[in-house]
Amino acid sequence: QVQLVQSGGEVKKPGASVKVSCKASGYNFMNYGITWVRQAPGQGLEWMGWIGPNNGETNYADTVQGRVTMTTDTSTSTAYMELRSLRSDDTAFYYCARDKGLGGPLYFDSWGQGTLVTVSS
Amino acid sequence: QPVLTQPPSLSGAQGQRVTISCTGSSSNIGAGYGVQWYQQLPGTAPKLLISGDNDRPSGVPDRFSASKSGTSASLAISGLQAEDEADYYCQSYDSGLSGSLFGGGTKLTVL
Repeated sequence: QVQLVQSGGEVKKPGASVKVSCKASGYNFMNYGITWVRQAPGQGLEWMGWIGPNNGETNYADTVQGRVTMTTDTSTSTAYMELRSLRSDDTAFYYCARDKGLGGPLYFDSWGQGTLVTVSS
Repeated sequence: QPVLTQPPSLSGAQGQRVTISCTGSSSNIGAGYGVQWYQQLPGTAPKLLISGDNDRPSGVPDRFSASKSGTSASLAISGLQAEDEADYYCQSYDSGLSGSLFGGGTKLTVL
């Protein structure tokens, strides 16, 4: 079955960086993109960006553009999301999701369990 | 800034039918981009409920259905059950943003 398993929770200080991993299994990693979504405590879902499976093409939301880098390691079917210059309002659950879109974000049919990133001094 | 607008909350009695609306604009729903719906049970990751306007993944009961007209979409849940109590989000692509977009979410309470 399709599974996306994310790395564990992180606590970071303001200004630091965090890198969250998402290991995929149960499907051909090269046939789907990966989208990253975050959810601040008690708030709604925010789409952060998408990465394609083949040439590393990315599409980032304006709200995190310049601070985020999404990458994949096709040899291990793992996606990564690095967020830099962390602020307190970056405190959120971060989810990876399998994206049906190969040329850009489309929709997200399987989700990781989420990774809580806490930014606090 | 493009938005998808949902009612923040909704409630219905068990067995009742409820509808959750999602209002967009000409750069997203109105441009013909597909609308998806996700269900998020308390303390869990979101789950795809409906894709491509009204396609249900296997395992999703046919009590859930969706429709789209103009710049709006809606999710209907018939025969409400206690287990349907959750947050529901619509999602689409926006050409102005050149990216994806979620609605603000609707908290459904089953009475």
